Amino acid sequence: DAGVTQSPTHLIKTRGQQVTLRCSPKSGHDTVSWYQQALGQGPQFIFQYYEEEERQRGNFPDRFSGHQFPNYSSELNVNALLLGDSALYLCASSTRYEQYFGPGTRLTVT
Amino acid sequence: QKEVEQDPGPLSVPEGAIVSLNCTYSNSAFQYFMWYRQYSRKGPELLMYTYSSGNKEDGRFTAQVDKSSKYISLFIRDSQPSDSATYLCAMSSANTGNQFYFGTGTSLTVIP
Repeated sequence: DAGVTQSPTHLIKTRGQQVTLRCSPKSGHDTVSWYQQALGQGPQFIFQYYEEEERQRGNFPDRFSGHQFPNYSSELNVNALLLGDSALYLCASSTRYEQYFGPGTRLTVT
Repeated sequence: QKEVEQDPGPLSVPEGAIVSLNCTYSNSAFQYFMWYRQYSRKGPELLMYTYSSGNKEDGRFTAQVDKSSKYISLFIRDSQPSDSATYLCAMSSANTGNQFYFGTGTSLTVIP
């Protein structure tokens, strides 16, 4: 079992650009959640996808959007990047109440 | 008030010590409680998962949940230098629609 995988590992973008991050869930998991983790902070919930629809959303602006594909993989898109978007972006796949995280994508906005 | 409060530490203990990590929470609807370990610049790794109140033991790790006090704990026995990491508590409930709420994490260093 490959577990949750994410790509890319690291990414450097310029303020105002757009970025797409990718996630493949653990085998057998149909729910994918995205989190933003700033340095020294716990993960902050962005949104969750189930059956290709956004099921729940945290307190993040519309610049953050996502998608889930029929194979349950998911993308996180962030438009009009701000310096404050620099963080570790974590994808987690889950059964009903047990979540497993991927290694994360470290995004740096300059 | 944050949903979940966790002392960020840092916590430094000698090898072999018993470590106690704690979180408090405000939402009495939380039913599912998890502890994650996160090494520097890595994704969190699920350590323990507990439903409702009570204790759960897995090797050197014991998770305790006291719902009446809205307080959860993780105990690590015979701590090892490899236990040095940040420990995150997380919780959820059916009412939160599978959204997980995390503490800020406690940084632990086990000194050889």
